[in-house]
Amino acid sequence: DMKVTQMPRYLIKRMGENVLLECGQDMSHETMYWYRQDPGLGLQLIYISYDVDSNSEGDIPKGYRVSRKKREHFSLILDSAKTNQTSVYFCASRVRGYEQYFGPGTRLTVL
Amino acid sequence: GDSVTQTEGLVTLTEGLPVMLNCTYQTIYSNPFLFWYVHYLNESPRLLLKSSTDNKRTEHQGFHATLHKSSSSFHLQKSSAQLSDSALYYCALSNTGNYKYVFGAGTRLKVIA
Repeated sequence: DMKVTQMPRYLIKRMGENVLLECGQDMSHETMYWYRQDPGLGLQLIYISYDVDSNSEGDIPKGYRVSRKKREHFSLILDSAKTNQTSVYFCASRVRGYEQYFGPGTRLTVL
Repeated sequence: GDSVTQTEGLVTLTEGLPVMLNCTYQTIYSNPFLFWYVHYLNESPRLLLKSSTDNKRTEHQGFHATLHKSSSSFHLQKSSAQLSDSALYYCALSNTGNYKYVFGAGTRLKVIA
């Protein structure tokens, strides 16, 4: 059973604090993604990782950075979080044939 | 760049009526892959359908869609809506050799009794 995990599931931070969102997958998928989901905007790609230390900006990378030191882990970092980064964040990994498997999401609130 | 348009933000249907959610796309590439993902409340988004070849229908779990390159469309259909179909539906686009996906804004389907 293919599985993508995300931690934490809920997070409340104050503006200016640093945020670390973690994603894991047990399928040895090479490609992983971070998206944010906002009403009316859909899923927007923040970063894509093709493998360990091989990351590329997505469509909305400003204010975010990522780290992938092991194939099974992909982290999203917000240095000095802003209120407009309040959102639901989804991690996904890609299987051959283009299907993506999504994690359960992290609901981040920045006050 | 590539784009996906879902014109309806919310579709409300009575149970038993047919479902049609619109999806159109723009891309410069000639062989795009189109997808429908479904996101039920408190679950992860998951793949519902993936496009096949041009003008060929693809089906899964009672839903179907046909890629029409001539009109750049991949509309999602179902003959009879069920209460359990209530969810957020995303249309997405990817191209051969490109690992990126472009998602539409999503259509929330609400099925009422």
